[in-house]
Amino acid sequence: SQQGEEDPQALSIQEGENATMNCSYKTSINNLQWYRQNSGRGLVHLILIRSNEREKHSGRLRVTLDTSKKSSSLLITASRAADTASYFCATKAAGNKLTFGGGTRVLVKP
Amino acid sequence: KAGVTQTPRYLIKTRGQQVTLSCSPISGHRSVSWYQQTPGQGLQFLFEYFSETQRNKGNFPGRFSGRQFSNSRSEMNVSTLELGDSALYLCASTMGSEDTQYFGPGTRLTVL
Repeated sequence: SQQGEEDPQALSIQEGENATMNCSYKTSINNLQWYRQNSGRGLVHLILIRSNEREKHSGRLRVTLDTSKKSSSLLITASRAADTASYFCATKAAGNKLTFGGGTRVLVKP
Repeated sequence: KAGVTQTPRYLIKTRGQQVTLSCSPISGHRSVSWYQQTPGQGLQFLFEYFSETQRNKGNFPGRFSGRQFSNSRSEMNVSTLELGDSALYLCASTMGSEDTQYFGPGTRLTVL
């Protein structure tokens, strides 16, 4: 079973708009990570947020983590066509494997 | 540094055959993890190797096995292939306890 569940499953936006996707998980974690995958290729690591952090930024990406609600969100600001991809959250508990959610498919229309 | 490489990139096999996939991690990385990705089940963890020892294992049947060599390169083997084994197999490497995983491009396996 998957630890993280992304919402929505799919998202379609215009270039320049912001895209927000959410991830919920079930058990305690050490950190939560977001990855991007383009069209059935390998995953690219975007950002890692530790359980004692609440918010993190990287370029146009903003990630929040609420451990009390066991949820995280990924915001992509000023989206570009090149942001079209699937986005996955992954959770890591101590000594355990990295567990991925089902992903959010994002389509950015020019 | 060169990234994670996986060979072959594409593979077609028939039911009952066996297959071996190879993964070369980033230089200096000692941990290699394998994942299976399918449209129905998503990304599922297969196993993780660190310094030639299996450190974690997912919920896959014994037909799926792996190993890691002293140079950190890893192979996974699937015996008695089934149609449902058709998937993208991804490997990822990390440097020891570092949590960020660096993924290879994957091997697309089709079982006919």
